[in-house]
Parts: sequence; structure tokens; C-alpha cells
Amino acid sequence: GEDVEQSLFLSVREGDSSVINCTYTDSSSTYLYWYKQEPGAGLQLLTYIFSNMDMKQDQRLTVLLNKKDKHLSLRIADTQTGDSAIYFCAVITGGGNKLTFGTGTQLKVEL
Amino acid sequence: DARVTQTPRDKVTEMGQEVTMRCQPILGHNTVFWYRQTMMQGLELLAYFRNRAPLDDSGMPKDRFSAEMPDATLATLKIQPSEPRDSAVYFCASGLGFGGEQYFGPGTRLTVT
Repeated sequence: GEDVEQSLFLSVREGDSSVINCTYTDSSSTYLYWYKQEPGAGLQLLTYIFSNMDMKQDQRLTVLLNKKDKHLSLRIADTQTGDSAIYFCAVITGGGNKLTFGTGTQLKVEL
Repeated sequence: DARVTQTPRDKVTEMGQEVTMRCQPILGHNTVFWYRQTMMQGLELLAYFRNRAPLDDSGMPKDRFSAEMPDATLATLKIQPSEPRDSAVYFCASGLGFGGEQYFGPGTRLTVT
């Protein structure tokens, strides 16, 4: 089945950019998503990209997709303390709406 | 604003007891998902429904877990009998049609002693 991998931790200073990376194995994945989970809460959809795009920008968020390398990244510009959370990459597998989630990357923003 | 609700938010129970978790999806959403989140396994899909029909429950231990949608406004996940290894946060999510845009509830934190 699909495998989605992320690094476990990332620490950045407030005001810097954060880049969270994700790799996946299924080259037929059509939609790729980024979700955010704050402590004690459910996941919240941040943004997504179609597989026929290589970049999508949404305010402070930039998603980059390299289909050849099966690599997805999320860049957060001007990272704030409120961005501290776990970020999950997710891809659609097997058609329909079944998501495979990555392991999650815990982002810590330091003053 | 519309959101997915889950009850109870916290549940502590003894091994062997029955546990029922409830979810109210966002009105008009036709897909409902049950996930389990643990430190060791991360986020696992247990089951999902479209238009109240179960589409995939391959992630669920069949001998003790069951998931149903008695009507479009209620999804339930039942564990009988519960075991300590079932301790986790259980999330319900709902969505519309195809695609991975899912709206998550706040979760039920289950502790089985």
C-alpha cells in the first residue's frame, strides 16, 4: 500500500520560514493535502494541491510538489508561535476519498 | 459554524466493558470516517461510510469493533469487550463526495484500565 513519510520534528525561530517535507510512494496519487493538529484537537485541513500542479500559494503557505521524486513540501513564511502544531501530509489512495496520512511533523516555534 | 461533534470527549473504563462513541457529522456531508490515533501507530483509518453504507472497515479489528450509521446525523463506533490496547484518541471526520477534504471532530480520548 501507500507509504507516506515525514520527519518527526522541526524547530524554527519566530519570524523565520519553516519547511516541512513529505515523501510518498504511490505515483498515481491525485490529490495531496496538508493538515494541522493543535494540542487536544482534531486535524484541520490547511491546503491541498492537485497532482497536475507543481506549486500552490495561499497567504503564508506555499506547497511545492515534485512528482518525479514523489516529494511534497509545505513552506510557512514568517512563522509565528501560533503555528506550533503537528503537520500531517496526506494523499488520496485507490481513488475515492480514502486518505493515507504521514507520521506527522511536530513544529516548534521558539521566540 | 458547522462542525463535527463527538461524544464523549473523554472516557475511562475498565477492561471488558463496552464502549460506545458517537459522532454527528456536518449536515449535508455524505462521507464519514473513523480514525484512531496513538503515539506508536500514528493515525489509522478504522472504517468509512458513504451515504450511510460501509465502504471500508478493513482497518478495524472485527472481533470487537463495530461501526454503524443508524441515520445520516449519527455515526457510532462500539468496542465490546474493550482492552487496554484500545486506549487511544478516536476521531470522526466527515466530508462531501470524493476527495480528501475532511472535517475532523475534537476526538474521544479513551483510556481502558
